[in-house]
Order: sequence, then structure tokens, then C-alpha cells
Amino acid sequence: SQQGEEDPQALSIQEGENATMNCSYKTSINNLQWYRQNSGRGLVHLILIRSNEREKHSGRLRVTLDTSKKSSSLLITASRAADTASYFCATAFYGGATNKLIFGTGTLLAVQP
Amino acid sequence: DTGVSQNPRHKITKRGQNVTFRCDPISEHNRLYWYRQTLGQGPEFLTYFQNEAQLEKSRLLSDRFSAERPKGSFSTLEIQRTEQGDSAMYLCASRRDPGPYGYTFGSGTRLTVV
Repeated sequence: SQQGEEDPQALSIQEGENATMNCSYKTSINNLQWYRQNSGRGLVHLILIRSNEREKHSGRLRVTLDTSKKSSSLLITASRAADTASYFCATAFYGGATNKLIFGTGTLLAVQP
Repeated sequence: DTGVSQNPRHKITKRGQNVTFRCDPISEHNRLYWYRQTLGQGPEFLTYFQNEAQLEKSRLLSDRFSAERPKGSFSTLEIQRTEQGDSAMYLCASRRDPGPYGYTFGSGTRLTVV
């Protein structure tokens, strides 16, 4: 089952613009991660934010986490055509015998040159 | 570090046949995960291993599915008596544990059941 839902489902922007994707989830988490997937390929880990963190940066990526609202956002600044891909948030909860990532439904980002 | 390797990349099989996929994780990663992904959806968890021990299986993993990780190295996922609904991308991932590390995914095996 999917834990999270991304919003929007699809996003089309021009090169140089910023792209913002949102993720909502349902249960308590230890951390939240964002992944990118190019068409027909495996997923690439982008960034991990722990439950006690509120914001994290990595290059052109900025991730925020609001555990009270059970939501996260991914901001890609100064987007490039090469950023065209699907983006997934995934939540991790480590408890008992459970130790896995649960993925959301994804946002399809298209960056027009 | 050569990444996570999955073989084959593509598999077309007739309904009712058995198929087996292989995953070679990053050597120092003790956790190995299998996911299934259908078109337009996020990956769905199937099962995971800590070294050679299979610690959790999803209810998605019917009795036609079996996974092994002998000696805690590579892993295989077998589907017996394939059905058209098994058509999907099967993804393998590994990570180091303990620690809040991201997963490293392979490129996946795309299964088509005809």
C-alpha cells in the first residue's frame, strides 16, 4: 500500500524556474526521503531528512518536513531539462520487525528547454 | 562500489511459466529489499533481508513468490506459475544498517507476462 501522496501528480515548467512538490503521509516516521526516477530506470536517492529536522539543503534541492502536518516539500531551484523525471517521497519507520521504505505515488516533472 | 546490479533487464514469459530474477547488492550493504512497481505508481514493498535472514514479507507476496539470499550476498526472486497481473518492474535495493541511509536501487527487471 502507498503511504504518501504527492501533489501535484504532474508539473510542467520552463528551464530556470523553480519546481515545488509536496508529499503527505499518514503514520509516524523516523525519516523521509526523496528519490528521482528517470523513465524506465531505477530510483536515485536525492536527500534524507530525519523526523527531528525541519529543513535540509543539498545543492539545488531544499526539503522541508512538518511532522505535525505529516507533510514534506521538495524544492528544485533553477531547474534544468535534465531534471525531467518522476519524483517520489518515501517514509521510513523503524519499529519491531518493520524496517522499510513506503513510497508515495510520485510527481512527474517535465522541464521544458 | 559498482552499484546494485539486476539481471535480466527484461524478461518476457508465457503465463504459467516460472521466472527467476537476480540481484547483486553493494557488497558492504547488509540489507536488501525487493519492490514491485507498475506503470504510474510508486514502488511497493515486497520483502527484505538482513544478511541472509528474510525479516519481513508483504501480503503482496503470495505463495507463488519466493525470495532467497544465500550467505547474505546476492538475492533471487522467483515467481512460479506467472500470471498477467505479475507484469511489472521488479526493483532491488540495498543499504547499510544501522543508520538512516538512503537506499541504492538497481535498474530493475521488467517482466512481461503474455
